[in-house]
Amino acid sequence: QSVLTQPPSASGPPGQRVTISCSGSRSNIGSNYVYWHQQLPGTAPKLLIYWNNQRPSGVPDRFSGSKSGTSASLAISGLQSEDEADYYCASWDDSLRALVFGGGTKLTVL
Amino acid sequence: EVQLAESGGGLVQPGGSLRLSCVASGFAFSNYYMNWVRQAPGRGLEWVANIKQDGSEEYYAGSLKGRFTISRDNTKNSVYLQMNSLRADDTAVYYCARGDDYQDVGIWGQGTLVTVSS
Repeated sequence: QSVLTQPPSASGPPGQRVTISCSGSRSNIGSNYVYWHQQLPGTAPKLLIYWNNQRPSGVPDRFSGSKSGTSASLAISGLQSEDEADYYCASWDDSLRALVFGGGTKLTVL
Repeated sequence: EVQLAESGGGLVQPGGSLRLSCVASGFAFSNYYMNWVRQAPGRGLEWVANIKQDGSEEYYAGSLKGRFTISRDNTKNSVYLQMNSLRADDTAVYYCARGDDYQDVGIWGQGTLVTVSS
């Protein structure tokens, strides 16, 4: 059972917009930044969003992050087949004094 | 180019020990926190530990504290993970990852596989 809760799966046809949620608590998302990581099949994870809504250089602006209270969301617009991957949210937990990840969401492009 | 290269994985018997290494290149290693994150086969990401730039502070996942120890050598641009009393459920790919501070993971290595089995 992960400290951060994500839906196990999400899907959409090419070109559509999809959002992935990440639910936490006051001690993690409610107090600290949220990060999103993308893991393409068979590869190492890659940072997608940092500080709730910032994109590292090279990440397309089709990817966007937001945070409100103890929840966060990752939105992907203009879905492409290469977006099929597992997506993980992460945040520091002040009570656990540990970095916590969500269980991951497998995105399928139909 | 920023690179992180893990090594030291392999097959180890239950109860055994293993030391993982990660060599960094392409950035000022001593300016960054360093993390270990693992992923069991078919499972999600699990943060293991991190260590401050000068090695003066370490944080661990609660379930692993006492068996795993993170350390670093800034003269060698390297971070290590000493794993003791290994169990079957420690079987995973172990990733080394750079962080700007204690609460983030930014750049990931390619991982090294640890298999605990008799």
